[in-house]
Amino acid sequence: GAGVSQSPSNKVTEKGKDVELRCDPISGHTALYWYRQSLGQGLEFLIYFQGNSAPDKSGLPSDRFSAERTGGSVSTLTIQRTQQEDSAVYLCASSTRTSGAHYEQYFGPGTRLTVT
Amino acid sequence: SQKIEQNSEALNIQEGKTATLTCNYTNYSPAYLQWYRQDPGRGPVFLLLIRENEKEKRKERLKVTFDTTLKQSLFHITASQPADSATYLCALPDNSGGGADGLTFGKGTHLIIQP
Repeated sequence: GAGVSQSPSNKVTEKGKDVELRCDPISGHTALYWYRQSLGQGLEFLIYFQGNSAPDKSGLPSDRFSAERTGGSVSTLTIQRTQQEDSAVYLCASSTRTSGAHYEQYFGPGTRLTVT
Repeated sequence: SQKIEQNSEALNIQEGKTATLTCNYTNYSPAYLQWYRQDPGRGPVFLLLIRENEKEKRKERLKVTFDTTLKQSLFHITASQPADSATYLCALPDNSGGGADGLTFGKGTHLIIQP
């Protein structure tokens, strides 16, 4: 079956430009997560969606980062006025998690963002 | 603040032996703990979840233990194979499992199984 897909797989952008990263979760998964993985660092939690709402935005590193999810499916992560420190692999995950339960997360292959 | 520690040095194990990886955490009272495998250039893949009231969980050649007193989980791979070579990540819920929990990951341990 289809897993989590992300696009683009690689993105090179100039400092100061805006970028949009897309995530298609597994069909039927209500929970969606964005993480960031920098070279030599662990995964850093950014934001979580349950359906279309984002109850936890605490991990977004600055107000240049925003995310939305429409129709309870596809999500986009937008980074405005990109900086070199934004260079990382951005990973999306989805799960069937509902409140009070604990489920594994299924990850996409990631988008490698390079800001020059 | 919450902190997860995994041995950042690579772990070299001879094929056929048991590999044991350690995950220690502080300032947590997690409802569960998860282990993931990550290969280069790929997203993490879920392996096992163990809940706070479970001492041990097994899946094929994998075994995970969870000691909430020691604040430690051990991850074992028995009869290790070169294909088991990867980075293994320990993960805990951000809010001790009570809220909208993204996961907090350790930096991972790179396991190398020598043929």
